[in-house]
Amino acid sequence: GESVGLHLPTLSVQEGDNSIINCAYSNSASDYFIWYKQESGKGPQFIIDIRSNMDKRQGQRVTVLLNKTVKHLSLQIAATQPGDSAVYFCAENSGNQFYFGTGTSLTVIP
Amino acid sequence: DSGVTQTPKHLITATGQRVTLRCSPRSGDLSVYWYQQSLDQGLQFLIQYYNGEERAKGNILERFSAQQFPDLHSELNLSSLELGDSALYFCASSVAAGRNGSPLHFGNGTRLTVT
Repeated sequence: GESVGLHLPTLSVQEGDNSIINCAYSNSASDYFIWYKQESGKGPQFIIDIRSNMDKRQGQRVTVLLNKTVKHLSLQIAATQPGDSAVYFCAENSGNQFYFGTGTSLTVIP
Repeated sequence: DSGVTQTPKHLITATGQRVTLRCSPRSGDLSVYWYQQSLDQGLQFLIQYYNGEERAKGNILERFSAQQFPDLHSELNLSSLELGDSALYFCASSVAAGRNGSPLHFGNGTRLTVT
């Protein structure tokens, strides 16, 4: 099966700082990537996506970077807020399927 | 709110029993996916339906089955339940069947506890 991994299982940041969450993927044929946020007791919530023909995409306070050479994906959150505390998953779309990493738990320290 | 509705939110049952989990996809979405999430585990793909037909199977046990109805809602049936089946079960929907760059939108899951 596919392998989508996260470099760090936990990340703690100070409120107001920027957060960077990393993800490695294994299938060079994957052409679509998504970041999800999962809060306790809820389902994964779509944050931002990027197609393989792009290197960078920005949303509101979030930026996703894609490095296809090293098969690496990152999510940057600007001015991290307490409400950003959650588990963040990356997902890659390969064939008809989506493959998810195990997640990084982000804790924002007030 | 993702627009995907799952019922029930919680389910407690005994080993050997059978349960049915229900999912209503977002309006307009034709594809439904089922995932299992256990403690400290990532999302494990179980099965996918597109417009009523099974499209792909993942690590779904033979004791589990699913279907998608003409109104596009889906049900996941879990039988001969074991303690290890205790998990969160998520349904996700998408406008298309797979590889065309449309994201999955998840419901809030059903928490199944088998005692």
